[in-house]
Amino acid sequence: DAGVIQSPRHEVTEMGQEVTLRCKLISGHNSLFWYRQTMMRGLELLIYFNNNVPIDDSGMPEDRFSAKMPNASFSTLKIQPSEPRDSAVYFCASSLWEGGGYTFGSGTRLTVV
Amino acid sequence: KQEVTQIPAALSVPEGENLVLNCSFTDSAIYNLQWFRQDPGKGLTSLLLIQSSQREQTSGRLNASLDKSSGRSTLYIAASQPGDSATYLCAVGLSGQNFVFGPGTRLSVLP
Repeated sequence: DAGVIQSPRHEVTEMGQEVTLRCKLISGHNSLFWYRQTMMRGLELLIYFNNNVPIDDSGMPEDRFSAKMPNASFSTLKIQPSEPRDSAVYFCASSLWEGGGYTFGSGTRLTVV
Repeated sequence: KQEVTQIPAALSVPEGENLVLNCSFTDSAIYNLQWFRQDPGKGLTSLLLIQSSQREQTSGRLNASLDKSSGRSTLYIAASQPGDSATYLCAVGLSGQNFVFGPGTRLSVLP
């Protein structure tokens, strides 16, 4: 298994542009989590899904952020419009709902200038 | 609300030393607990997962213990090596939900 795959690895964009981050889950996992990591705030949970259904999106900072799971193996996190304070590393992780622990992707480093 | 703390925030030791990293959580009603390692500029790598019914897990030179009643977990690293230098994070699994992460301990093992 290739693990959790995120793309792109790095993204540099101008303020106001739309950004889409992508994540492919491990085959057989049914839960998907999006995290954001910054030096100041550490790891913050943005949203998580179980069986393609959003369970808790209370960590999504603003309406500019949205996430979808169009199928059981793929998810996107979209920021529109992007702002410099959105600059961070965005991770997705997948797991089995029954408590198999997390497997993280390598992250997307987003820089908004 | 579950809160997770880790002590120390940073640790520097000479190569070969045995060391203990500490993780504390406020609510003992946890599902499991996971220890991760993060290298600078990289993602998180899972080290050990302890279910709530277990007391410890071992993998190579690593041993993690869990004491739910006192809200503590420790990660023991034996015979530390420079390659162990990284940030170590513990994450507490909430029942049927998600993990709450601690702030991490930054470890430096000096050759």
